[in-house]
Amino acid sequence: EAGVTQSPTHLIKTRGQQATLRCSPISGHTSVYWYQQALGLGLQFLLWYDEGEERNRGNFPPRFSGRQFPNYSSELNVNALELEDSALYLCASSRDSNQPQHFGDGTRLSIL
Amino acid sequence: AQSVTQLDSQVPVFEEAPVELRCNYSSSVSVYLFWYVQYPNQGLQLLLKYLSGSTLVKGINGFEAEFNKSQTSFHLRKPSVHISDTAEYFCAVKGTNAGKSTFGDGTTLTVKP
Repeated sequence: EAGVTQSPTHLIKTRGQQATLRCSPISGHTSVYWYQQALGLGLQFLLWYDEGEERNRGNFPPRFSGRQFPNYSSELNVNALELEDSALYLCASSRDSNQPQHFGDGTRLSIL
Repeated sequence: AQSVTQLDSQVPVFEEAPVELRCNYSSSVSVYLFWYVQYPNQGLQLLLKYLSGSTLVKGINGFEAEFNKSQTSFHLRKPSVHISDTAEYFCAVKGTNAGKSTFGDGTTLTVKP
C-alpha cells in the first residue's frame, strides 16, 4: 500500500509570493490533515478536510487556505508568504476521523 | 479542547538501557492517544495507539505505553534502546468525536553508545 505522498519535497520562495503544496492520501482514506512544523514550535494544526469539505481550521491567518478534490487529494495554498512561514508542512490522512493519522514526509518550504 | 504536555524535551540514554518518555494530557471528553516517531527529514510514523480496551498497548520497534486515566498520562517505554531509536517522539491526543489531533512539543531521544 502506497503511503501519503507530498510534493514538492522542497520549495523555495521569496516574501510576498504564493506557494502551493500537494498531498495524495493513502488509498481509501477520506480525511486529510495539514500541519505546520516550524523550528522549535512543534506541530501546529492547520486544516482538516473530509469528504471534500473543510471540517476544522487551526489558528492561522486566512492567507493559509486549501481544498480537497473529489479523489481526496488535497492542496495547501499560502499567499503573501512571510519569512516566518518557513517550515516543514506535513500532510496526514486517515480512513475516517476516528482512525490514526498516517503522515507523509512533508514539504520543506523556505522563504528567502 | 485537548492539550498535551511532554514533560521532557530531551532524554539522553545509553544503548541497551531502559527509557521512559512521559506524556500527560488534559481533556474534557474521552480521548484516543497516540505516540509517533519522527526521524530526521521524515514525516511522523505511528508507533502505537490507544483507542479502547487494555490500558497497556504494544507498538512497533519494541515500544509500549500505558494509559492511566486517573493520572491522565500515557507514558512511552522501552526496556532496552538501540542507537537506531535516536529520534523525535511525539505524543498526541484526539477527542473521540474530533478529527484533528493535538500534539505535544516532542521529546528528543538520544541513544549514546
